[in-house]
Amino acid sequence: AQSVTQLDSQVPVFEEAPVELRCNYSSSVSVYLFWYVQYPNQGLQLLLKYLSGSTLVKGINGFEAEFNKSQTSFHLRKPSVHISDTAEYFCAVRVMDSSYKLIFGSGTRLLVRP
Amino acid sequence: ETGVTQTPRHLVMGMTNKKSLKCEQHLGHNAMYWYKQSAKKPLELMFVYSLEERVENNSVPSRFSPECPNSSHLFLHLHTLQPEDSALYLCASSQDLNVWSPDTQYFGPGTRLTVL
Repeated sequence: AQSVTQLDSQVPVFEEAPVELRCNYSSSVSVYLFWYVQYPNQGLQLLLKYLSGSTLVKGINGFEAEFNKSQTSFHLRKPSVHISDTAEYFCAVRVMDSSYKLIFGSGTRLLVRP
Repeated sequence: ETGVTQTPRHLVMGMTNKKSLKCEQHLGHNAMYWYKQSAKKPLELMFVYSLEERVENNSVPSRFSPECPNSSHLFLHLHTLQPEDSALYLCASSQDLNVWSPDTQYFGPGTRLTVL
C-alpha cells in the first residue's frame, strides 16, 4: 500500500532563514507528487507538482522541491521565508494507476518567527 | 464569485439531526471531490464524481450520502452522525479525471462540522 510520511509535525524558523520540509513516500509503482499549503481558515492551495521531467520543480511563492527517486523523497525548500509563509504544508502522492486517490501526509506546520 | 465555495462554513448538529453541506465550483470543471480533514490525521478522500457520476467511494459510512446534480454542485447529506465525525469537510474540483496526467485540484475553504 502507498503511504506518505512527513516526519516533522512542526518546524519553527526565523524570518529570512532557509527552510526544508521533508516528505517521504512509499510506493511500488511510479507516482505523481504534490505539495499543498493551507492557510488558517482556508482550503488547500497547490504550491507545486512533479509529474515527469526535471526533478527540480519550482512553485509559487518562491518554493521549490526536488524529486529523489532513489530516496523516495520530495522535500520542499525555500531559501528565505516570510512571516506570511506561516501555514500548514501537505505533501501528497498519486499513484500511476487507475485510482484517482490523492494520498496525503499528516502535514507540517511551518511557524515563521520575527 | 470565483473558485470553489462551500456553505455553511460552520455547522453544529446533534446526532439525530439531518443536515447538508453544499459545494459549488465556478471553474467549469468536470470532476468534484469530498475530503475529510480530522485533527492530527491526513486528509481522507471520501467521494469522487466525474460528470455527475460517482467514480470512487472510499468505504465511507452510509450516514454520509453525496449528491451531484450537475457538474457545478456537490452536496454531502448527513444523518445520524457520531461525535467522531466532527471534522473539516473539504470540497475540491479539477478539470477532469485524468489517470496519466492528473489535473490540479482546487479546494474550497471547508465546512467545520461539530457533532454533539
